[in-house]
Amino acid sequence: SYVLTQPPSVSVAPGKTATIACGGNNIESLSVHWYQQRPGQAPVLVIHSDSDRHSGIPERFSGSNSGSTATLTINRVEAGDEADYYCQVWDSSSDLGVFGGGTKLTVL
Amino acid sequence: QVDLQESGPGLVKPSETLSLTCSVSGASIKSESHSWGWIRQSPGKGLEWIATFHHSGDTYYVPSLKSRVTISVDTSRNEISLRLTSVTASDTAVYFCARQLFLGPINWFDPWGQGTFVTVSS
Repeated sequence: SYVLTQPPSVSVAPGKTATIACGGNNIESLSVHWYQQRPGQAPVLVIHSDSDRHSGIPERFSGSNSGSTATLTINRVEAGDEADYYCQVWDSSSDLGVFGGGTKLTVL
Repeated sequence: QVDLQESGPGLVKPSETLSLTCSVSGASIKSESHSWGWIRQSPGKGLEWIATFHHSGDTYYVPSLKSRVTISVDTSRNEISLRLTSVTASDTAVYFCARQLFLGPINWFDPWGQGTFVTVSS
């Protein structure tokens, strides 16, 4: 089955740029979506279709997908961005949903 | 505004069957523009997709649970249900339902319900 690999944690100072990677075999051929999950809350869609910001998501959030890595980038990081972030694809070859293991973003 | 609300027993004994319901408001589950999914999260762990009910009536399941899980819909109540048989402690998790945009390979979950926590214990 298809596997998505994320770093367990990323740390960044306020005002700096955070990048969260999501690795998968030829992931550029898939459509990647990103979710933010704050502690005790349900996940929220932030980026869909590799790079489209979901409604209401600040322009500071962006996504890209190339080769074997999709990336979520958060510019001018704020304390409120501290959360777990998950990438997700639908493996249409097997019709299965797949989530990455998640990355905990810590704002220093 | 679309809202999803999960409900469940909270506590289930090992070997018994877990039944969960997701009530949808602000959208019809009969809509052909969306499908519906269940995702779970074990304590301190990541998200695990469990099942999808496609608007065509097709169903999709994670292989590790396929023999024990059933997703279904009740259009009269505008609800999605999940049934998981022969539960063990490893099924202890928060269970989320979510609306799913299902356009072939373009397939994401939004919005999500708040989740319902289920403990499997005797």
